[in-house]
Amino acid sequence: DVVMTQSPLSLPVTLGQPASISCRSSQSLVYNENTYLNWFQQRPGQSPRRLIYKVSNRDSGVPDRFSGSGSGTDFTLKISRVEAEDVGLYYCMQGTHWPPTFGQGTKLEIK
Amino acid sequence: QVQLVQSGAEVKKPGASVRVSCKASGYTFISYGLHWVRQAPGQGLDWMAWINPDNGNTKSSQKFQDRVTITRDTSASTAYMELSSLRSEDTAVYYCARDVSSSIDSWGQGTLVTVSS
Repeated sequence: DVVMTQSPLSLPVTLGQPASISCRSSQSLVYNENTYLNWFQQRPGQSPRRLIYKVSNRDSGVPDRFSGSGSGTDFTLKISRVEAEDVGLYYCMQGTHWPPTFGQGTKLEIK
Repeated sequence: QVQLVQSGAEVKKPGASVRVSCKASGYTFISYGLHWVRQAPGQGLDWMAWINPDNGNTKSSQKFQDRVTITRDTSASTAYMELSSLRSEDTAVYYCARDVSSSIDSWGQGTLVTVSS
């Protein structure tokens, strides 16, 4: 199975400051010119919600302070200015190789 | 809008089985695969299995292969996940989630399964 490794696992951030989460895969996620790397947010007590698909495509309703980038095996989720509602867990997930696999999760908290 | 509504919380004894349902609405049920993902208390997301609601084909993680059964009832737009031989480590929230182009775009509200003697 493809191993997804996130860092950091804990991310204390001051309100209004940027935040960045890294996700690395054990194999390239490129397939037929597409890269199936997704980012999910899970607020406390809620189901996960997709933020980003295919590396950099933001879902409808996701604030533009969230952005995704990367290629091959290295990917990043960036939040330009953290707001209180961004507290929660963030997961990357690859869908290129079967079975789908998730990163361990990064806990974002307000400093 | 797409909705996945799961059955309610369950408490089971070790060795028993549990069945969780996931009723889909807001889209054509047979057009999209469904994943089952679980999350143990304080832990991350763990992919379990997938079903193609159109033909009933399933795939499951080797971790659960012998214990998990995924089925569907197309007339009810509902998928089911049954996990057998439950142990305390199976205590978790179980989610169904819709597959779209090698991604997941919608999640159910989750079903807490507690395994305790």
